[in-house]
This record gives sequence, structure tokens and C-alpha cells, in this order.
Amino acid sequence: EPEVTQTPSHQVTQMGQEVILRCVPISNHLYFYWYRQILGQKVEFLVSFYNNEISEKSEIFDDQFSVERPDGSNFTLKIRSTKLEDSAMYFCASRTTSGRNEQFFGPGTRLTVL
Amino acid sequence: AQSVTQLGSHVSVSEGALVLLRCNYSSSVPPYLFWYVQYPNQGLQLLLKYTTGATLVKGINGFEAEFKKSETSFHLTKPSAHMSDAAEYFCAVSDLSTGGFKTIFGAGTRLFVKA
Repeated sequence: EPEVTQTPSHQVTQMGQEVILRCVPISNHLYFYWYRQILGQKVEFLVSFYNNEISEKSEIFDDQFSVERPDGSNFTLKIRSTKLEDSAMYFCASRTTSGRNEQFFGPGTRLTVL
Repeated sequence: AQSVTQLGSHVSVSEGALVLLRCNYSSSVPPYLFWYVQYPNQGLQLLLKYTTGATLVKGINGFEAEFKKSETSFHLTKPSAHMSDAAEYFCAVSDLSTGGFKTIFGAGTRLFVKA
């Protein structure tokens, strides 16, 4: 069964450093998403991406964040200068163009900012 | 705009007892509703979904949920809890008001199952 994959599973970084989180969505999916979950809190939407551009972003997704689909398979989230409060689990998701909008989530990357 | 409210951040049941996790939604259009489960240190797994059609939907692991439009509810149930059901459960709705169709999650309910 196809699945969304994410690497790395755990990333530790120093405050102020840049990190890139990687995702490989399901191959025939066209909408891509990033969500985050701070420990013990709910899952929050960050950004959606379709047709090589951002279709929607939340207020969390400020200038420190960017997304890219550098090739036909990867979807990345970059945080330019990490802050302590960026420590969270980051989930990638994808879906087809179906209006049923079932999103498939990856296993997540746990980001720890020291 | 769509939103989701989960009643009860923690629910504790005995093994073999009925599981009932409550979810109410707010939506100006017919909603697409989901329940996801998250086991410790793992990702989100879809339990079941309601899009159109039958209002009682069955999912994996013996769970089911009923869409009640008049009550704007989508409660999750399981007749008999198992120890392996202990996890965090998230009710979610698709945001159809924007082109991105993001998913909006409730705050989650942690289910504890006592032996």
C-alpha cells in the first residue's frame, strides 16, 4: 500500500540553525501539506501546496518557513533560523484532487531545537 | 469556517466496556469528517471517514461513528474496549472554504483502557 514517507525521523539542531525536513508524498497525489504538533497539543496546519505554489498558509507559517518541491517526488519544509518554540513533530500529508479530501499522513519528523 | 470540538481531553474505560469519544463540528457546508488515531510516538492513522451517503460509518479496529447533522456531531464508538485501543484520538474536518482543503483537527482525546 502506498504511503507518505518522511526523513529524518528525528532531527536535533541548535537555535538559529537552518533545517530541512523531507517528505515523499504518494506518487499520484497532487496536494501536499505540512502540519505540526507541539508536544501534548493538537495538530496545527502550516501550509498547503498545489501546482507548484502555496495554496494556503497559516499565521504560523511566517518568513522563516518555506516549502519546495525540488523534483517530481520530494516535498520539503525549510526553517531558516530555528527557534526553541519550533520544537515539535512535523507531519507531511498528501491527497489526490478528489473532493473527498482524505489526507494521508507521514510518520512525522520530531524536531528538537536546543 | 469549519471547526471541531472534542468533549473531554481524557477518557478512561475498563477493558471490555463501551468506548464513546465525542466530537462536534461547525461547518457552513456539508462537512467531510474524519477520526484519526495516534499511538505514542507515531503518526496519524485514519480510523474512518464520512463524506456522503450512509451516516453510520465503520472503520478499522471495530470503531464506528455516526454523522448526525441535526446535532452537528460525529461521535466515535466501539462496543468493547481493548488494551491496544489506548491512544490519542483526533476528530477532524476538511476546510472546504479555501482552495487548499486543509484538515482542521480537534484538540484530541486521550483514551485510557484499564485492565
